[in-house]
Amino acid sequence: DQQVKQNSPSLSVQEGRISILNCDYTNSMFDYFLWYKKYPAEGPTFLISISSIKDKNEDGRFTVFLNKSAKHLSLHIVPSQPGDSAVYFCAASAYSGAGSYQLTFGKGTKLSVIP
Amino acid sequence: DVKVTQSSRYLVKRTGEKVFLECVQDMDHENMFWYRQDPGLGLRLIYFSYDVKMKEKGDIPEGYSVSREKKERFSLILESASTNQTSMYLCASSLLTRELFFGEGSRLTVL
Repeated sequence: DQQVKQNSPSLSVQEGRISILNCDYTNSMFDYFLWYKKYPAEGPTFLISISSIKDKNEDGRFTVFLNKSAKHLSLHIVPSQPGDSAVYFCAASAYSGAGSYQLTFGKGTKLSVIP
Repeated sequence: DVKVTQSSRYLVKRTGEKVFLECVQDMDHENMFWYRQDPGLGLRLIYFSYDVKMKEKGDIPEGYSVSREKKERFSLILESASTNQTSMYLCASSLLTRELFFGEGSRLTVL
């Protein structure tokens, strides 16, 4: 059963408008959440993260919101730029023993920003 | 900057061949991971390692094995490649933090 769900496989947005990517999770043990961005033929790169003790984290054009009661997080990109076109993966982290953590990834949302 | 290097960007192999995918990180990270990425399936964890000579199965270990003889190197082995192992393979490393650093990926095609 999927513990991290990204229900929208794709999203198209006009340049300059807001992009909102959504992610839902089921495991209450997750206490840290990350967004990764991936271009074709490249490895994912870290974008932004949020701890479960917060409900918002902002970094430039990127803001992540966390609603713990709904087990939902979202990534907002404002304003969207053509270079933001990529696949975005939501990931959730829980302690996995031996002093380390595992990430569980969603299936990804492909964002296309139209000039 | 953290550098995770995967030895081969593109490989083409035949069914039944043994395949080695090598990964090296240069930041003395404790943890290393192998994922595969397939369209519509996201990133799925194959194996991970917390320390030298230590390995743990991820979500989809069948058909794969790993080796970690040195801290900086983590190898993924396909003992007998099959067509359903055609995929993008991603190596990652981390210190005792939540953030993974990924390599550029190895695109494997099994004919």
